[in-house]
Amino acid sequence: DTEVTQTPKHLVMGMTNKKSLKCEQHMGHRAMYWYKQKAKKPPELMFVYSYEKLSINESVPSRFSPECPNSSLLNLHLHALQPEDSALYLCASSQERSGGSTDTQYFGPGTRLTVL
Amino acid sequence: LAKTTQPISMDSYEGQEVNITCSHNNIATNDYITWYQQFPSQGPRFIIQGYKTKVTNEVASLFIPADRKSSTLSLPRVSLSDTAVYYCLVVNTGRRALTFGSGTRLQVQP
Repeated sequence: DTEVTQTPKHLVMGMTNKKSLKCEQHMGHRAMYWYKQKAKKPPELMFVYSYEKLSINESVPSRFSPECPNSSLLNLHLHALQPEDSALYLCASSQERSGGSTDTQYFGPGTRLTVL
Repeated sequence: LAKTTQPISMDSYEGQEVNITCSHNNIATNDYITWYQQFPSQGPRFIIQGYKTKVTNEVASLFIPADRKSSTLSLPRVSLSDTAVYYCLVVNTGRRALTFGSGTRLQVQP
């Protein structure tokens, strides 16, 4: 099973709403990632979790709050978003082997978020 | 992080071989060259990775010259379903997160 699943597929929310995006993998991967992708642009890294601990935060605004409850799950909590936050939010995972190697990242299909 | 430069777009016809070249002049010793493919409204998918010379898998070949300052992704006999954006990335063994460049939009015509 090389699948990363994301729910929901689509989400429309107002600027005062609180919502969460979910990501799940059952490949035994210990690194999980959130990327943001605007239309016609490449994905941009937001957060990296390694062994359930936040290891990289690319200066993301606090209205985005990641959470890694266990090694298979990754959430992104959203609060007080702005219309410019509308984008495709991609989750990915990788094995996180020890140094000297690069691990393939497996991406989910993404959640298409629209902020009104 | 080594920056990559690749053509913005390419056109091809079904059955042709497509070569997409990527420039990465500042590549470091512990960097690998990796290519991902992305279809609209889907997440990127790993195609191939290499360090030097040539790597081949069931999908593509990757050619890397000795100086490693560039690389070429070769897609043999493309079909309509190969229409996608192709990203060349330099991946550092110490930093697992991916930094995507602008990518190459490949359009395959019948």
